[in-house]
Amino acid sequence: QVQLVQSGAEVKRPGASVTVSCQASGYTFENHWIHWVRQAPGQGLEWVGIINPSGGNTVYAQKFQDRVTVISDSSTSTVSLELRSLRLEDTAVYYCARDPDSGMDVWGQGTTVTVSS
Amino acid sequence: DIQLTQSPSFLSASVGDRVTITCRASQGISKYLAWYQQTPGKAPKLLISGASTLQSGVPSRFSGSGSGTEFTLTISSLQPEDFATYYCQQFNSYPRSFGQGTKVEIK
Repeated sequence: QVQLVQSGAEVKRPGASVTVSCQASGYTFENHWIHWVRQAPGQGLEWVGIINPSGGNTVYAQKFQDRVTVISDSSTSTVSLELRSLRLEDTAVYYCARDPDSGMDVWGQGTTVTVSS
Repeated sequence: DIQLTQSPSFLSASVGDRVTITCRASQGISKYLAWYQQTPGKAPKLLISGASTLQSGVPSRFSGSGSGTEFTLTISSLQPEDFATYYCQQFNSYPRSFGQGTKVEIK
């Protein structure tokens, strides 16, 4: 079945970097863009960015533009999100989600990133 | 950037009630709107795309309508498993954006 499986929880210090991965299976990896969305504790959903696994082109939300990089690896069907210069307010659950050009139809299970001093 | 405003932010309803949630866009987005349901500790689930297209496996008591700047999600007869938070999301342009959410709780 189609699924996205994310890497495990992370705890980081302010100023550090974190990488969260998302491995796709059950479909042709290059055929669908992948989003990253985050959710701070008790808050709503916030769009971070998107990558086209076929070609690697990306679009990021303005607020993350200078701190985020999303890459894809077709050999492992994996998309990775790197967030640098972490702040306390980056504490959130990070989700990857597949985009069939009509919303986000398949989601990863979420990865909790905790930034704490 | 396109802002999405949902109303209400919170509603209290009983099993069997008809519930309507509204999502207003700050500019026209044609029918490029999706609705999601999220329960605590879980990833969001896509219910409706293209403003009114029900996803496979989603109960028919859910329906969506609207175009341009005003959209609605309706649950015709609320069931116990429907108590959750609902989000709209536009896919008309970048950056993608979500409404702030509507939490549906048991009265």
